[in-house]
Amino acid sequence: SQQGEEDPQALSIQEGENATMNCSYKTSINNLQWYRQNSGRGLVHLILIRSNEREKHSGRLRVTLDTSKKSSSLLITASRAADTASYFCATSGSARQLTFGSGTQLTVLP
Amino acid sequence: DADVTQTPRNRITKTGKRIMLECSQTKGHDRMYWYRQDPGLGLRLIYYSFDVKDINKGEISDGYSVSRQAQAKFSLSLESAIPNQTALYFCATSDSGFYGYTFGSGTRLTVV
Repeated sequence: SQQGEEDPQALSIQEGENATMNCSYKTSINNLQWYRQNSGRGLVHLILIRSNEREKHSGRLRVTLDTSKKSSSLLITASRAADTASYFCATSGSARQLTFGSGTQLTVLP
Repeated sequence: DADVTQTPRNRITKTGKRIMLECSQTKGHDRMYWYRQDPGLGLRLIYYSFDVKDINKGEISDGYSVSRQAQAKFSLSLESAIPNQTALYFCATSDSGFYGYTFGSGTRLTVV
C-alpha cells in the first residue's frame, strides 16, 4: 500500500508561474523526500526534510512539513518547461526503506 | 558511466520464461533496492538488501527472487514470468542514513 498520496494527480501551468504539490502520509516518519522523474527515466532526488524541520529551501524549491497534519508540500517557483516531470514524495519511517506516493504529473507550458 | 547501471534497458519475454534483471553500482553504498513502477501506482518495493548477507522482502515479493552477489551487484529474477509482471523496474542504492536514493535508468519489461 502507498504511504504517501500526492495531490493533485496532474497539474498544468504556464512557464513562470509557481507550482505547488501536496503529499499526505499515514504513519510517523523520520524524514520525507521529494523526487522527480522525467518520462520513463529513473527518479532523481530533489530534497529531504527531517521530521523536526518545518521548511527547507533548495534553489527554486521550497518544501514544508507539517507532522501534526501528516502532510508536506513542494513549491517550485518561476517554473520552466524543463520542470515538466512527475514528482513523488517518499517517506522514511520505522521500516528500513522509503515508501513512495503515486506522484503528481506537472506540465509546464511554454 | 552512470552511478547505478541496470541491464537490460528493455526486454520482451514470454510467459513462463525465467528472466534476470541486473543492477550494479559505483556509489559504494551498502544498501540496494528493487522497485516496480506501474502507471498510476507509483513505486512499490520488491526486495531490499542492506548488505551482502541481509536480504529482505518488500511489499510485493511474490513471484520474484533476488541475489546480492557483491556489495556492488544486486540482481532480480522472475522465475516464471507472467503478463501482470509487465512494468518498469528500478534499482536504487542508498547509504546508511537514508539521505536520498540514487536510481538506475530502469528496465522496461514486457511479458507476452
